[in-house]
Amino acid sequence: AQSVTQPDIHITVSEGASLELRCNYSYGATPYLFWYVQSPGQGLQLLLKYFSGDTLVQGIKGFEAEFKRSQSSFNLRKPSVHWSDAAEYFCAVGVPRAGGGADGLTFGKGTHLIIQP
Amino acid sequence: EAQVTQNPRYLITVTGKKLTVTCSQNMNHEYMSWYRQDPGLGLRQIYYSMNVEVTDKGDVPEGYKVSRKEKRNFPLILESPSPNQTSLYFCASSWGAGEKLFFGSGTQLSVL
Repeated sequence: AQSVTQPDIHITVSEGASLELRCNYSYGATPYLFWYVQSPGQGLQLLLKYFSGDTLVQGIKGFEAEFKRSQSSFNLRKPSVHWSDAAEYFCAVGVPRAGGGADGLTFGKGTHLIIQP
Repeated sequence: EAQVTQNPRYLITVTGKKLTVTCSQNMNHEYMSWYRQDPGLGLRQIYYSMNVEVTDKGDVPEGYKVSRKEKRNFPLILESPSPNQTSLYFCASSWGAGEKLFFGSGTQLSVL
């Protein structure tokens, strides 16, 4: 079965600084990979996803993520964070099915991002 | 507006009293799923449904039931709730498993 690890429970970044959130997965082949963001009191919103092709994917709100097969990683980055980026971030993995699509997503435990003024 | 609607947003109940949390989506999605979110544990899948009358267990199905009689609705049923089911619950839907999930706003359940 697939699994996802987000090593950092909390990360604090100054406003305007760059950000990298780590995500490592365990799966025998290339899975579908996702990053979701959850603002306080809200449901989750998809930031970006990787299925195949270019390993650097662009998402909404200025985020990007890079798939590195050799490291089984899918780290999320943003060059300059804004106070509104403070939220919980979840990495997720889906296992591709032969007929298309993927099995249900497995989520990491999340990284809580704190933005310092 | 495309959305996933869960009701209620907040629910306090007592041990053993059957309850249902409703979930409805207006996007004609085939795939629907329930998750529970607990501090330090992230989101864990309870049940999912690939289409009408097709449901399957997720990672933590014990103590829950679901049904998918219509494409738009996917209620979560707790026949005999227990305190360890106190959690924040999310319903989600998508065009297919592994596709972008659209989440409801969540249901905060407290079982006393």
